[in-house]
Amino acid sequence: DAGITQSPRYKITETGRQVTLMCHQTWSHSYMFWYRQDLGHGLRLIYYSAAADITDKGEVPDGYVVSRSKTENFPLTLESATRSQTSVYFCASSPEKSNYGYTFGSGTRLTVV
Amino acid sequence: KNEVEQSPQNLTAQEGEFITINCSYSVGISALHWLQQHPGGGIVSLFMLSSGKKKHGRLIATINIQEKHSSLHITASHPRDSAVYICAARGSQGNLIFGKGTKLSVKP
Repeated sequence: DAGITQSPRYKITETGRQVTLMCHQTWSHSYMFWYRQDLGHGLRLIYYSAAADITDKGEVPDGYVVSRSKTENFPLTLESATRSQTSVYFCASSPEKSNYGYTFGSGTRLTVV
Repeated sequence: KNEVEQSPQNLTAQEGEFITINCSYSVGISALHWLQQHPGGGIVSLFMLSSGKKKHGRLIATINIQEKHSSLHITASHPRDSAVYICAARGSQGNLIFGKGTKLSVKP
């Protein structure tokens, strides 16, 4: 199926564990983004990527690592999960930075216990 | 102060009513997005605006660039319109800066 897919849909992990959230898009969009959604804060940008091998920090990057070796994949890794990283994570993509719409993945609900 | 402010935060309407959600932003933008999120659900892009007005079915979005203000209107509201509506300003890096959302509940 064409589109943007995130996996897993739900994840429970323990404090201190490394966790990777996957994001895959089939459109060859240049831009990809990771956001987290929390009550009281809304959606906030973690990291973004303008192209393969180009990534940059967003508003809340601490504790996260990203990579983008291929255009279609943009995994987000929590190096050592903390309870404050319990959140819903959304991946999104766009063909370019200004004049095209966004498409969001279905989200990953992560709980750190 | 948030860069993107929405009002109201919560809105309850009766089926059939005309609904308006407002969004003000303080940053320079390349576009303004309206998004919809159903409870426990994903995020759907409704509109992307850089000027004027767009219409899709019963939804209308307008933007006034000089006043840095946008509105989302829903005509003849229906219970299935119940959702959170989010305004987001598109920044210079292509990222979105989000408002906190408006939770809409339409009663039959």
